[in-house]
Amino acid sequence: GNSVTQMEGPVTLSEEAFLTINCTYTATGYPSLFWYVQYPGEGLQLLLKATKADDKGSNKGFEATYRKETTSFHLEKGSVQVSDSAVYFCALYTSGTYKYIFGTGTRLKVLA
Amino acid sequence: EAGVTQFPSHSVIEKGQTVTLRCDPISGHDNLYWYRRVMGKEIKFLLHFVKESKQDESGMPNNRFLAERTGGTYSTLKVQPAELEDSGVYFCASSQVAGSTDTQYFGPGTRLTVL
Repeated sequence: GNSVTQMEGPVTLSEEAFLTINCTYTATGYPSLFWYVQYPGEGLQLLLKATKADDKGSNKGFEATYRKETTSFHLEKGSVQVSDSAVYFCALYTSGTYKYIFGTGTRLKVLA
Repeated sequence: EAGVTQFPSHSVIEKGQTVTLRCDPISGHDNLYWYRRVMGKEIKFLLHFVKESKQDESGMPNNRFLAERTGGTYSTLKVQPAELEDSGVYFCASSQVAGSTDTQYFGPGTRLTVL
C-alpha cells in the first residue's frame, strides 16, 4: 500500500543553518506530494505542494522537488530561523482515495 | 474567513467513559475528514464525509467510534467506551472539492488523554 517515510527527529539546528528533512514515498500511480507544518499550539498548515514529477513547491523560503526516479520529496531551507521551530509532516495524496497518507513527522528546533 | 475549528482542545477522561469531539469545517466546504495521530506515529485517516454522507470510513479503528455530520455542517466523533489506546490527537480537516489538487485545511486538533 501507499506509505511515506520521514527522517527521525528531533532535528536541532542553529539559526541560519541549512535544513534538509528527508521524505521518501511508496505509491501506486502518480501521487501529489505535500509538506505540512504544525507550529506549537496550532493546527496543521499547508507549507508547499507538488502535483507532478519534477515540480518544485516553495513557500516561506522552503523548497521541495518531486523526484519520481528516487521517490523523494525532501524539504530544504537555506537559512532557518527560530520561528521555523515546528513539526513538519510529509504527505501524499492519490487521486480517487480522497485521503492523505502522512509520515510520522519531524520535529525541528532552531536555536538562537 | 474562519478556519476549521475543533472543540475541546484537550480532553482527559478515564477508561470506559464517553467523549465527543466536535469539528466545524470552513463554511461552504462539503468535504470533511477526521484523522488521528497516536503519540510519535504518523497521522492516520479515519473517515471522510461528503456533506452528511460517509464517503469512506475505512480508517475507523472499531465500532467504539461513531462519527456523524447532521445537516452537512459540523461533525462529531464519539468514542464510547474509551480505551487507553484511543489517546492521541484527533484532527479534523475540510476541503471544498475532493480531488487530486484540492488542499485539505486542518484544525488545531483535540488532544485526547484516556487514563
